[in-house]
Amino acid sequence: GQNIDQPTEMTATEGAIVQINCTYQTSGFNGLFWYQQHAGEAPTFLSYNVLDGLEEKGRFSSFLSRSKGYSYLLLKELQMKDSASYLCAVLNFNKFYFGSGTKLNVKP
Amino acid sequence: GAGVSQTPSNKVTEKGKYVELRCDPISGHTALYWYRQSLGQGPEFLIYFQGTGAADDSGLPNDRFFAVRPEGSVSTLKIQRTERGDSAVYLCASSSPQPPEKLFFGSGTQLSVL
Repeated sequence: GQNIDQPTEMTATEGAIVQINCTYQTSGFNGLFWYQQHAGEAPTFLSYNVLDGLEEKGRFSSFLSRSKGYSYLLLKELQMKDSASYLCAVLNFNKFYFGSGTKLNVKP
Repeated sequence: GAGVSQTPSNKVTEKGKYVELRCDPISGHTALYWYRQSLGQGPEFLIYFQGTGAADDSGLPNDRFFAVRPEGSVSTLKIQRTERGDSAVYLCASSSPQPPEKLFFGSGTQLSVL
């Protein structure tokens, strides 16, 4: 089967930095994606890694280690609007497998 | 259109009834996906189309579920003899043809089976 694991919930303070981890075991790998999903809304694309290393995109960065089956999403200078669920997804050939999501609560 | 459009946004039906959920993808996107999402869970893969054909329908839970995409654009997910366990948000997504093949999701259809 395909396993993608992320913490269920995290809490962080406005202005701080938070790291959301994702580990995966899949039969194939064509890329790792992070999506943001606000309550009651559809997921929206945040970042993509296919090679090992760090991809930086403004306040958000994502890291991948293929040998370890591990990725993280780093959110800097947290804002209240960053309160949302963050979904880790692995592209395996043409199918995307999603984790259950990490609900991030940003408090003042 | 500018984004992925799904209709209806909400559907309430009775157990045993038939429902159709519609998805209109982004123009030019040949790949189209249906996912199902329950509260507190990530999207669960149902079926993937490349053009008109169902390239992978391994996620459909049973033969009550069927999807079509006759002209390679709009897709319809059909559920027969609905059950209470079918209640969920049904998400449609199309993906960009060039890497990274990121998914663009519609707003979903909230299906409630009473």
